[in-house]
Amino acid sequence: GAVVSQHPSRVICKSGTSVKIECRSLDFQATTMFWYRQFPKQSLMLMATSNEGSKATYEQGVEKDKFLINHASLTLSTLTVTSAHPEDSSFYICSARPAADTQYFGPGTRLTVL
Amino acid sequence: DAKTTQPPSMDCAEGRAANLPCNHSTISGNEYVYWYRQIHSQGPQYIIHGLKNNETNEMASLIITEDRKSSTLILPHATLRDTAVYYCIVLDNNNDMRFGAGTRLTVKP
Repeated sequence: GAVVSQHPSRVICKSGTSVKIECRSLDFQATTMFWYRQFPKQSLMLMATSNEGSKATYEQGVEKDKFLINHASLTLSTLTVTSAHPEDSSFYICSARPAADTQYFGPGTRLTVL
Repeated sequence: DAKTTQPPSMDCAEGRAANLPCNHSTISGNEYVYWYRQIHSQGPQYIIHGLKNNETNEMASLIITEDRKSSTLILPHATLRDTAVYYCIVLDNNNDMRFGAGTRLTVKP
């Protein structure tokens, strides 16, 4: 149990385009979902936290208009990177947390912006 | 900022126990200690968590000191597939999970 999926696993896009990444909790309902970013040889950095039906809470320095997060249901959250640029190239990882329980992470999405 | 400190790297011989330490001297009474690991280019994998009692599951054992200021993750018989970065985490004041640098464990044949 406690499986989190992400789609796509890998995406390459041109600079200026937008990319949507989906995160799904497959066998549980997630009250809260999280988005992280990881650059090469670095640790995971929390970008934002979202509760179902509410606006996401973004970490300082993360542009909410650039990284659009939608948590429309208890099993799905999406992250849209708008007008992507090469510096947005990174490994994006989501996680989901059932109420008052531990977090489970997705396999990650590697974004490359050309 | 992470509320834990871990050694940056450790080596372990295949088949031996791997003991990964973590300091969390500012932990409060109701905060759990979580352990995850990340194998290259994958999402973090949950290993175990505990509050004050020692815990064991099919993956590992977690030993928490009586004062709760430190803990040790034990992989009883390390294999090459256990090579990964291991993260010890205490949730922040908003119950968010923040990652430090972790310990890079290399299991050697």
